[in-house]
Amino acid sequence: AQSVTQPDIHITVSEGASLELRCNYSYGATPYLFWYVQSPGQGLQLLLKYFSGDTLVQGIKGFEAEFKRSQSSFNLRKPSVHWSDAAEYFCAVDDTDKLIFGTGTRLQVFP
Amino acid sequence: GAGVSQSPSNKVTEKGKDVELRCDPISGHTALYWYRQSLGQGLEFLIYFQGNSAPDKSGLPSDRFSAERTGGSVSTLTIQRTQQEDSAVYLCASSLVGRGEQFFGPGTRLTVL
Repeated sequence: AQSVTQPDIHITVSEGASLELRCNYSYGATPYLFWYVQSPGQGLQLLLKYFSGDTLVQGIKGFEAEFKRSQSSFNLRKPSVHWSDAAEYFCAVDDTDKLIFGTGTRLQVFP
Repeated sequence: GAGVSQSPSNKVTEKGKDVELRCDPISGHTALYWYRQSLGQGLEFLIYFQGNSAPDKSGLPSDRFSAERTGGSVSTLTIQRTQQEDSAVYLCASSLVGRGEQFFGPGTRLTVL
């Protein structure tokens, strides 16, 4: 079965520090991959997506992610975190039109 | 333009009652999805409508759950004889076409007492 693993449940970083959130997927074909962010009490907002082509994709709010087929990974990165980035982040893979989500990583940012 | 809207934003009900949750997708989007977000299970797919095709109901947890989409637009998720384990946030999403970017609504928080 298709699956997504986010090994880090909770990450804490200082404002201005770099960030990398890990995501590994299990999918038989070429995956469509997504990162979503959910702020407290809010719905899910798409940060970026990978369908094909360049393996380094740029998203909103200064985020980027790199697709590595050999490692079955799609890690999310940001060079300098802002306090407003504190939220929960979900990686997802498209499985025949429906999204399979990871369990999420909660990001806490200290000033 | 307007995003995906859901109503009510919060619903408290008693065990055994039926509830209906509504989703208004983005105008022109042919695909509509329901997901459930709960502490124990994370984000789970429930059901998917694409145009006039038969819906993909593979994620519905029991026959107490059903959904319909009228006129290719508004969708209603119905939970019959609610149980405490149905307490969760129910999220609706729509996309222009299948396998496209999904836009999510703010969700309906359901609490079953």
